[in-house]
Amino acid sequence: AQSVTQPDIHITVSEGASLELRCNYSYGATPYLFWYVQSPGQGLQLLLKYFSGDTLVQGIKGFEAEFKRSQSSFNLRKPSVHWSDAAEYFCAVGVNTDKLIFGTGTRLQVFP
Amino acid sequence: IAGITQAPTSQILAAGRRMTLRCTQDMRHNAMYWYRQDLGLGLRLIHYSNTAGTTGKGEVPDGYSVSRANTDDFPLTLASAVPSQTSVYFCASSPLGRVSYNEQFFGPGTRLTVL
Repeated sequence: AQSVTQPDIHITVSEGASLELRCNYSYGATPYLFWYVQSPGQGLQLLLKYFSGDTLVQGIKGFEAEFKRSQSSFNLRKPSVHWSDAAEYFCAVGVNTDKLIFGTGTRLQVFP
Repeated sequence: IAGITQAPTSQILAAGRRMTLRCTQDMRHNAMYWYRQDLGLGLRLIHYSNTAGTTGKGEVPDGYSVSRANTDDFPLTLASAVPSQTSVYFCASSPLGRVSYNEQFFGPGTRLTVL
């Protein structure tokens, strides 16, 4: 069965530090991969997506993610975190049955 | 402003009562979805609709029903609410039916508490 794993429930970083959020998926074919962000009390907003081609994708707000087929991973990165990046981040995989499967999320806390 | 609206914002409901959560989008998207978000479980798909007049079951459909009479509206009904349906409910839409290819746009959510 398809699944998405975000192993880190909660991450704390200092403002200006680099960030990497982990995402691993289980899917038999090449997946369509997404990262969404949810600010407190808000709905989800798409950060970036990977369908094919270049395995390093750029998104909004200075985020990027790299698809590594050999590791079944799609980790999200940002070189310098801002206080406004504090939110919950969801990785998701799109499968060919009209479903989007979400991970359980990683809550990011940013200290000044 | 184009987007998705959900109503109510929050609701406290007695167990056994019937409740309809409303969702309206003005982007003319074909597909719409209902998710529930629970701590530690992420978002789980309840029901979806690829186009007006059609609906399908998601991962956790029991106790919920939906209808899609037109493109814009996708109400979610709890026929007889139970405490385990306490959750935050998100409506989403995407331009085409193949969710794999398209970004989903999310509403602000409805926080439902069933006592």
